[in-house]
Amino acid sequence: EPEVTQTPSHQVTQMGQEVILRCVPISNHLYFYWYRQILGQKVEFLVSFYNNEISEKSEIFDDQFSVERPDGSNFTLKIRSTKLEDSAMYFCASSEGTRRYNEQFFGPGTRLTVL
Amino acid sequence: GIQVEQSPPDLILQEGANSTLRCNFSDSVNNLQWFHQNPWGQLINLFYIPSGTKQNGRLSATTVATERYSLLYISSSQTTDSGVYFCAPASGGSYIPTFGRGTSLIVHP
Repeated sequence: EPEVTQTPSHQVTQMGQEVILRCVPISNHLYFYWYRQILGQKVEFLVSFYNNEISEKSEIFDDQFSVERPDGSNFTLKIRSTKLEDSAMYFCASSEGTRRYNEQFFGPGTRLTVL
Repeated sequence: GIQVEQSPPDLILQEGANSTLRCNFSDSVNNLQWFHQNPWGQLINLFYIPSGTKQNGRLSATTVATERYSLLYISSSQTTDSGVYFCAPASGGSYIPTFGRGTSLIVHP
């Protein structure tokens, strides 16, 4: 069964450093998403991406975040200058694409720890 | 945005017991998903259920969109059912799901 994959599974970084989290969505899906979950809290939407541009973003997704689809398979989330409060689990998700049917499938997550 | 309330927040069961998890939401919804977050943190799709009833093995779900709630039924619970169950409806012009705070389930052998 096709699945969303994410790398790395764990990332430890120093405050102020840039990190790139990588995702490979399900191959025939057209919509891609990033979410984050701070430890013990609920899952929060960051951004959605379709047709090589951001379609929606939340208040959390400020100028320090960016997303990119650098090739036909990868989808990345970049955090330019990490802060302690960026420590969280980051989930990538994808869906087939029609807005009337938007079941999202999540990857296993990348646990980001900012020291 | 849409408000999502899940109950109960915590649930402890003995293996073999049945349970019902509830999700109330404040607006009409375009879609709704139930997820299980296992102890390793993975989010597993359980149901995509904007309305009606679906069943998958020991699990079933019902969404009554007109009354703004969804229910997840777990029958004959097993220790592997432990984890957090999230309801995530999407409303209005956005198809982005909003997650509730979840129900934390522990099933004892």
